[in-house]
Amino acid sequence: QQPVQSPQAVILREGEDAVINCSSSKALYSVHWYRQKHGEAPVFLMILLKGGEQMRHEKISASFNEKKQQSSLYLTASQLSYSGTYFCGTPARGSGNTGKLIFGQGTTLQVKP
Amino acid sequence: SQTIHQWPATLVQPVGSPLSLECTVEGTSNPNLYWYRQAAGRGLQLLFYSVGIGQISSEVPQNLSASRPQDRQFILSSKKLLLSDSGFYLCAWSLGLAAEQYFGPGTRLTVT
Repeated sequence: QQPVQSPQAVILREGEDAVINCSSSKALYSVHWYRQKHGEAPVFLMILLKGGEQMRHEKISASFNEKKQQSSLYLTASQLSYSGTYFCGTPARGSGNTGKLIFGQGTTLQVKP
Repeated sequence: SQTIHQWPATLVQPVGSPLSLECTVEGTSNPNLYWYRQAAGRGLQLLFYSVGIGQISSEVPQNLSASRPQDRQFILSSKKLLLSDSGFYLCAWSLGLAAEQYFGPGTRLTVT
C-alpha cells in the first residue's frame, strides 16, 4: 500500500531540472508532496486532487495521472534551497475522514553550486 | 494563523526510563492529530492518530501509547524505553478528509 518513489536519490547542479515520481498500486484520488530539509520537520508543498489541475509551488510543479496511478514532481531550474528529501503521501485505504496518509520512502535531492 | 508546538526539542534517556512527549496546536479546533517516528535516514512511520478527544488509533504495536486529553493536545508516552525507540518524533495536524498535514518541529530522542 505504500507508494513507491523514484529515483531514491538525485544530485543536480544549480539550474538543472529534476523529476521525482510517486506510484501506487491502488487507485488514487489525491497525492500530497512534502519536503524535509536535513534535521527539520517535513513541510507541505502541494496536494494534487483527482480531476484537478497541475499545481505549482514557486518553481516546483506537480502532475497527477489517475490512469497510471502516479504523480510526478517537477523541479525546474533547481536552487540550492531545493535540497532535501521529498516525500509523497497518499490517503490510506479506508482512512475516511481521519486524513491518514501513507508516505513513500522519500527521494533525496542534493543541489550543488 | 495555526501553529504547532512540540517539546522537548531533544531528549536523551536511558533504556527502561519513561517517556512523555507533548504536542499542542493553536489557532484551530477539532484537528486530526498524528504522531510519526522517523529513524535516521528513513521515512515517516505513522504511530498513532486521533480524530477527537480521547479517540486514539494505533498503527504499530509497540511499547508506546498516546493520549489526547484536550482538543489540541496530543501526548506520546512510554513506561519503559527501548533502544529501538530512538528517532525523530513528529507531531502533525490536519483538518478533514484528504487535507494537508502540518508538522511540528519534532523531538529528537536518543535512548542510551
